[in-house]
Amino acid sequence: GAVVSQHPSWVICKSGTSVKIECRSLDFQATTMFWYRQFPKQSLMLMATSNEGSKATYEQGVEKDKFLINHASLTLSTLTVTSAHPEDSSFYICSASMGLAGAPYGQYFGPGTRLTVT
Amino acid sequence: GQQVMQIPQYQHVQEGEDFTTYCNSSTTLSNIQWYKQRPGGHPVFLIQLVKSGEVKKQKRLTFQFGEAKKNSSLHITATQTTDVGTYFCAGRSYGGSQGNLIFGKGTKLSVKP
Repeated sequence: GAVVSQHPSWVICKSGTSVKIECRSLDFQATTMFWYRQFPKQSLMLMATSNEGSKATYEQGVEKDKFLINHASLTLSTLTVTSAHPEDSSFYICSASMGLAGAPYGQYFGPGTRLTVT
Repeated sequence: GQQVMQIPQYQHVQEGEDFTTYCNSSTTLSNIQWYKQRPGGHPVFLIQLVKSGEVKKQKRLTFQFGEAKKNSSLHITATQTTDVGTYFCAGRSYGGSQGNLIFGKGTKLSVKP
């Protein structure tokens, strides 16, 4: 149980283009979804938190106009990297929780998306 | 802001040896969670500790939450090659940014057979 899928698993795009990454909770309703970046050999850096039907809350330093997050339903959240640049190349991981942010629930992580911007 | 420090950064052990990773927070935590990330994989939730002084066991893994709720540890007894991976602690402070988890940098465990 508690499976989260992510699509695509990897993507290569040209600088200036936009890329959409999907995150789905397959067997549970995700009240809250989280988006993280993970640089090689580093920890997870929280980018934003979203609840279904409301605007995402972005962490300090994360450009909300560049990283567009849509949490359309209790099982789907999308992250769109707009006008991607090489420095946006990273491993993006989503996670989903059955509870509200702050509630003592575990987070279930998707397999991640490797984005390479050329 | 809140910081979660984790040590050591790397640990190399011989199969059968014990392993411990420590996590320390700059602020009191409402709860702490532990995750394991296998090489090339994604973090997998292991456990959550909520109570001061709490100790939980999962087979060869023992998790502790300090009395002051500012530190935690994960101890693996008699490591096996399947224990290889990076272990992250993630702390949630009271009233922090929506109470979100702050991840430590992780301890990368390698086990020599």
